Amino acid sequence: QVQLQESGPGLVKPSQTLSLTCTVSGGSISSGSYDWSWIRQPAGKGLEWIGRVYISGSTNYNPSLKSRVTISINTSKNQFSLKLSSVTAADTAVYYCASAAEYYFDYWGQGTLVTVSS
Amino acid sequence: SYELTQALSVSVALGQTARITCGGNNIGSKNVHWYQQKPGQAPVLVIYRDSNRPSGIPERFSGSNSGNTATLTISRAQAGDEADYSCQVWDSSTAVFGGGTKLTVL
Repeated sequence: QVQLQESGPGLVKPSQTLSLTCTVSGGSISSGSYDWSWIRQPAGKGLEWIGRVYISGSTNYNPSLKSRVTISINTSKNQFSLKLSSVTAADTAVYYCASAAEYYFDYWGQGTLVTVSS
Repeated sequence: SYELTQALSVSVALGQTARITCGGNNIGSKNVHWYQQKPGQAPVLVIYRDSNRPSGIPERFSGSNSGNTATLTISRAQAGDEADYSCQVWDSSTAVFGGGTKLTVL
């Protein structure tokens, strides 16, 4: 069974770049059956999809975040990563990585809280 | 951009049937997926492609989708079903989530 684990700094200063990595275990990120997404959830609010990456390296991003987001994949490390630039307090949230086989998110990481504060 | 509308909260008596709706323009033409999220935990897929249950999800969970409304139905509600439920679709290569509905089991 596929397992995902987010890692990265829990505190980021305003205007800096948030960087997170998701490590996939229990299966190969290159299997071709999945695409790999980042999703976030501010405290007390709903889920917001950030974007996804395919094993080819191609990406789709949420239009509302597109100008600030980069998602990449490293098949040799079985990882994919998120970079969100120019962060503000509004980017404070629990960030999840997730996999999707047929357009639904069937495996999720446990989530990691990222706080934007000076 | 496409929007999904969910009620903030729904209450159901123990053992009764809960219905949680997700509204969207012509949502019946899309595949709708539902997630359950308990406090402090990651979401869990409970229904995919409108009405399909992943393995391990009780038969009490069912889904339907038509017109402008998709519905998640939880029969014989249990205390353990108390959670937030979110619907999700894809629109123009973008995943869209509803705001989530908090289910309270009385």
